[in-house]
Amino acid sequence: DAKTTQPTSMDCAEGRAANLPCNHSTISGNEYVYWYRQIHSQGPQYIIHGLKNNETNEMASLIITEDRKSSTLILPHATLRDTAVYYCIVRVADAGGTSYGKLTFGQGTILTVHP
Amino acid sequence: EPEVTQTPSHQVTQMGQEVILRCVPISNHLYFYWYRQILGQKVEFLVSFYNNEISEKSEIFDDQFSVERPDGSNFTLKIRSTKLEDSAMYFCASSGAGRGEQYFGPGTRLTVT
Repeated sequence: DAKTTQPTSMDCAEGRAANLPCNHSTISGNEYVYWYRQIHSQGPQYIIHGLKNNETNEMASLIITEDRKSSTLILPHATLRDTAVYYCIVRVADAGGTSYGKLTFGQGTILTVHP
Repeated sequence: EPEVTQTPSHQVTQMGQEVILRCVPISNHLYFYWYRQILGQKVEFLVSFYNNEISEKSEIFDDQFSVERPDGSNFTLKIRSTKLEDSAMYFCASSGAGRGEQYFGPGTRLTVT
């Protein structure tokens, strides 16, 4: 799986959008970008994933650049409960985004949302 | 909403003892995983399991570790002879057919003394 690079930490004011960047310059054509988060030693929580088109769900939006070498996770209205470590993971998947392989976690970005 | 559950939440054991960590994956899921996280470190993959056999395992998953799906609902991780360095949070995860995301349980904190 391709390597990812994320900032060590970021801050965000409550109610504002949190934009978390991720670089994955060696991503291959069959690799998807996945985002998970881990709130204070709880189990990691799936957020969103995508291949090349922008994706949105009830939790977040994922913007992937046209060359697919980087992406941004957007939490549109951050709350204090969004304070967590956010992991960007690149992973091989089939054409439908299905993958049963392992997740390889890096250090992630510690997002702190403050009042 | 269905969720992965794990028991116990905290297990304390003495070095050399056997421990079994239990997980109940989401009911219609077919792919099962164990990960661990040593305090302050990254989440690390241990093993994946499908169709009653191991699909993939990491270097960490040596002969001291084993997994089993003893019935239709439970998925267990056994450590035969625990070492101090096995102290960690152990997470179980499951994934459904045709999906990419894994759903994690709350973890079992294993403390080896």
